[in-house]
Amino acid sequence: AQSVTQPDIHITVSEGASLELRCNYSYGATPYLFWYVQSPGQGLQLLLKYFSGDTLVQGIKGFEAEFKRSQSSFNLRKPSVHWSDAAEYFCAVGLLYMRFGAGTRLTVKP
Amino acid sequence: EPEVTQTPSHQVTQMGQEVILRCVPISNHLYFYWYRQILGQKVEFLVSFYNNEISEKSEIFDDQFSVERPDGSNFTLKIRSTKLEDSAMYFCASTLAGGSETQYFGPGTRLLVL
Repeated sequence: AQSVTQPDIHITVSEGASLELRCNYSYGATPYLFWYVQSPGQGLQLLLKYFSGDTLVQGIKGFEAEFKRSQSSFNLRKPSVHWSDAAEYFCAVGLLYMRFGAGTRLTVKP
Repeated sequence: EPEVTQTPSHQVTQMGQEVILRCVPISNHLYFYWYRQILGQKVEFLVSFYNNEISEKSEIFDDQFSVERPDGSNFTLKIRSTKLEDSAMYFCASTLAGGSETQYFGPGTRLLVL
């Protein structure tokens, strides 16, 4: 069965520090993988997606993610976090519809 | 940039009442979806809709739920007789071609059933 696991419920980083949010997936075939961000009171905004090809994908707002088939992972990274990055981040897998992880809440310390 | 819109942003209703949540997908999109997010939980798929038919639905989407595209622009989710556990944020999404195409999400409707 398809599923997504985000092991970290809450992460706190200092502004300017690097960030990595973990995502592990279970999927029978080549996965379609997504990262979405949700700011308080807002909808879900797509940060980036992976379908095939280069395993390192670039997204908006300076985010990138790397697909590692051997580890069934699709971790999200940012080299330098800004205070405005504080939000909830969701990893998702799917083709016909999305299966979301439980989300990771990011807090940014000044 | 075109976006998915949803109305109302918040709705409070009494248990047993019917509610209709409205969505206006991006105008040239053909595939429409409803998801829900119970407070503190993950976003869950409810239903997808294409060519005036349900194409996929989850086990959550039981007989109390229905979807409709009553005209060329709106996409609605009806809950016939709301239960306390229907309290959640409901998200509409649309995509141009389904499959691997990016789904664009609306801002959500927060439903509170008392």
